[in-house]
Amino acid sequence: DGGITQSPKYLFRKEGQNVTLSCEQNLNHDAMYWYRQDPGQGLRLIYYSQIVNDFQKGDIAEGYSVSREKKESFPLTVTSAQKNPTAFYLCASRRTESNEKLCFGSGTQLSVV
Amino acid sequence: DAKTTQPTSMDCAEGRAANLPCNHSTISGNEYVYWYRQIHSQGPQYIIHGLKNNETNEMASLIITEDRKSSTLILPHATLRDTAVYYCIVRFHLQGAQKLVFGQGTRLTINP
Repeated sequence: DGGITQSPKYLFRKEGQNVTLSCEQNLNHDAMYWYRQDPGQGLRLIYYSQIVNDFQKGDIAEGYSVSREKKESFPLTVTSAQKNPTAFYLCASRRTESNEKLCFGSGTQLSVV
Repeated sequence: DAKTTQPTSMDCAEGRAANLPCNHSTISGNEYVYWYRQIHSQGPQYIIHGLKNNETNEMASLIITEDRKSSTLILPHATLRDTAVYYCIVRFHLQGAQKLVFGQGTRLTINP
């Protein structure tokens, strides 16, 4: 959706290197999410956040870290502890006041070189 | 959130109706059924959602059984552009972030 911007679209990481994926939204959404998708697989939840300075682990948080210093931004850091980081990463957001749908960004493909 | 079960893959002829089933036998009274679809290497797109009654919008129809243990997404006149992975998820209508979990989905292929 146009209101959520993920960058870069493609990212390459060297062994042992930390990289940060950007996710910015101008939809005034409170909740933000990070999902990982491997080829031919569904989406797996990494982290999610309801409000600024608060976030919760999803199902596969190990090797990842996040921050939520601003409502508009929810960057994801893939640390060197994540041994298999090659995947498609999707950011999403939604309003929490009502039964609102999830809006997704266009994704970042991360590859290890 | 309740667990959902969907077939891994389905085929449908172009111009025909595509009916995608979803089982959610452990759904509770306050959980909504949502459908999203994902075209290759893009973010998922919202299609439709419902609680008890059948719903229809410009993209699809959603039929929920009376006991709410299963539902069917209907694409009335499928086109080649409807080829995608379709996800059925259930979640509460609550405030807050909620842990939203997507399963493997159904890979729908529309054949010419």
